[in-house]
Amino acid sequence: EVQLAESGGGLVQPGGSRRLSCAASGFAFYSSWVSWVRQTPGKGLEWVANINQDGSEKHFVDSVRGRFTISRDNAKNSVYLQINSLRDEDTAVYYCAVDSSGSYGWDSWGQGTLVTVSS
Amino acid sequence: DIQMTQSPSSLSASVGDRVTITCRASQSISRYLNWYQQKPGKAPNLLIYGTSSLQSGVPSRFSGSGSGTDFTLTISSLQPEDFATYYCQQSDSVPRTFGQGTKVEIK
Repeated sequence: EVQLAESGGGLVQPGGSRRLSCAASGFAFYSSWVSWVRQTPGKGLEWVANINQDGSEKHFVDSVRGRFTISRDNAKNSVYLQINSLRDEDTAVYYCAVDSSGSYGWDSWGQGTLVTVSS
Repeated sequence: DIQMTQSPSSLSASVGDRVTITCRASQSISRYLNWYQQKPGKAPNLLIYGTSSLQSGVPSRFSGSGSGTDFTLTISSLQPEDFATYYCQQSDSVPRTFGQGTKVEIK
């Protein structure tokens, strides 16, 4: 069974940082792109970033480029999202998501981790 | 960036109704269009990928169609468990983008 589990969320002050983790199991993690998607409270979904299989290719939405970084450790079946210079508008539930079957759709999602930016 | 526009933003329907949600892309995305269902407090769930392919385990009352810029999600006979919010999402290019969502409520 494909499983994803995020961790690392919490309350952060504006300008602060946090490292989010996504631990994967049950599929060929090393052969999958992984994305982070966020959802602000009561609002819609926003794709944030993704990383390719060996970590050599990364993409970011404009609103986080230069503040967020993404990395992975295939030996640990994990992906990380380092979120820096946090702003109020970064408050959201952060999900990791994967296309485990090559469909170009995200067929597996974690349960999400909430990041709250507030003083 | 490719903008995705869904309509309607919300709708009220009864069990057994046929429901149609549309999604329009700001430029052609071929058939790289996915649909997700999300219930409160849960992660999104992939329903349809590649415009019309049904994800494993998804009931056949869900179907998708379209190409280029105009796409449709149809629920042939609405069931109680289908009351949720539905999102389209393009996988043609980065940044990946979502529609704003369509909330399907009980009439």
